[in-house]
Amino acid sequence: SQQGEEDPQALSIQEGENATMNCSYKTSINNLQWYRQNSGRGLVHLILIRSNEREKHSGRLRVTLDTSKKSSSLLITASRAADTASYFCATVLNDMRFGAGTRLTVKP
Amino acid sequence: DTEVTQTPKHLVMGMTNKKSLKCEQHMGHRAMYWYKQKAKKPPELMFVYSYEKLSINESVPSRFSPECPNSSLLNLHLHALQPEDSALYLCASSPPRGNILYGYTFGSGTRLTVV
Repeated sequence: SQQGEEDPQALSIQEGENATMNCSYKTSINNLQWYRQNSGRGLVHLILIRSNEREKHSGRLRVTLDTSKKSSSLLITASRAADTASYFCATVLNDMRFGAGTRLTVKP
Repeated sequence: DTEVTQTPKHLVMGMTNKKSLKCEQHMGHRAMYWYKQKAKKPPELMFVYSYEKLSINESVPSRFSPECPNSSLLNLHLHALQPEDSALYLCASSPPRGNILYGYTFGSGTRLTVV
C-alpha cells in the first residue's frame, strides 16, 4: 500500500533550472529515502535522510525533512536532460513504502 | 558485484501457465524483497525475506509463491495468473535491517504480461 503523496505529479523544466519535488506521508518514520526510476525500469537509490536529520546534501541533490509536518522535499539543482525520470520518496519504519512519484522532464 | 540481477527481463504467459521469476545478488545482503509496479504507479511491497525466512507477506494472492533457496537467490513462482497481474516485478536487496541505515539495491525488473 502507498504511504504518501508527492507533488507535483509532473514537472517540466528547462535544462539549468532547479527542480523541487515534495513528499508528504502519514505515519511515523525511521528514515525517508528518494529513488529515481528511468522509463519503468529499476529504481536507483539517491539519498537517505534519517528522522533526526533536517537536511542532507549529495552532489546536486538537497533533501529536507520536516517530521512535524510529515513532509520532505527533493531539490535538484542545475538540472540536465539526463535527469529526466520519475522520482519517488519512500518512507521506512518496519518496511519501505513508496509515495506516488513525480515525473520530471528536463528539456534541453 | 553491486548488482541485483533479474531474469527474465520480459515474460508473456497464459493464464494456465506456470512460470518463475528469478532474482540474484552477490553483495552479501540478507534481506530481499519483491515489489509489484503497475504503469504510472509506485512500487507496492509484496514479500520480504530476512535471513532466507519470509518475514512479510502483504496479503498477496496464493497464485504468487515466493521462495528463497539461499542467501543470494530469490524466486517468485507464478501460477494461474490473471491479466490484471500484468506489471513490472521488481526485486531488491539490502543488508539486514538495511532499510534503517541504507537504501535498497533494485534489479531492473521483469515486465510480465498475462494473456
